[in-house]
Amino acid sequence: QMQLVQSGPEVKKPGTSVKVSCQTSGYTFIESLVHWVRQARGQPLEWIGWIVVGGDSAKYAQKFQGRVTITRDMSTSTAYMELSSLDSEDTAMYYCAAERTGSRSKGGAFDAWGQGTMVTVSS
Amino acid sequence: DNMMTQSPDSLAVSLGERATINCKSSQSVLYSSNNKNYLGWYHQKPGQPPKLLIYWASTRDSGVPDRFSGSGSETDFTLTISGLQAEDVGLYYCQQYYSAPVTFGGGTKVEIK
Repeated sequence: QMQLVQSGPEVKKPGTSVKVSCQTSGYTFIESLVHWVRQARGQPLEWIGWIVVGGDSAKYAQKFQGRVTITRDMSTSTAYMELSSLDSEDTAMYYCAAERTGSRSKGGAFDAWGQGTMVTVSS
Repeated sequence: DNMMTQSPDSLAVSLGERATINCKSSQSVLYSSNNKNYLGWYHQKPGQPPKLLIYWASTRDSGVPDRFSGSGSETDFTLTISGLQAEDVGLYYCQQYYSAPVTFGGGTKVEIK
């Protein structure tokens, strides 16, 4: 079955960057998008952006434009999300989620999620 | 951006009873060329990531019990849990994926009365 395994928790200083990985398996990586979503404590889900794996094109929420980069490595079926200029408001659980395309498409719904990576920004 | 508004914020339901969650989008999510609503529902248990329940507003994902049902079109949607079970507690989110940015509702917390 589809599996997404994320890297471990991170503690960062304000002004620095964090890079979170999301290793996928159990489906055709190239026929998918990988999304990144975050959830601050007690807050709803917030979409950060996506990468079209086959096309290697990314799109970001306006709030994160200029501060986030989503990439993928086809050789390891892994996606990455790097967020720079961190401040305390970026403290949250960060999730990757896969959306299958082609014949398995559900129109854009997220088929499977990673377990989450806690990013804490503190001086 | 297409704003998603859920109601209520929380509800407590007795085991075996019905739970109803509403979701309203600020713009239509109905794609006229295929007559599909680009709306999904997710369940998030404490300490876990969300899990897809419903997509295209009313199609249950594989393995989702039939006590979960979705309805609605264009801007108004409902998730119904017919016969609440103990494992159904947690947060429920609606999501529109008709247009970028993808947006989620604020969530509805379901508890046992």
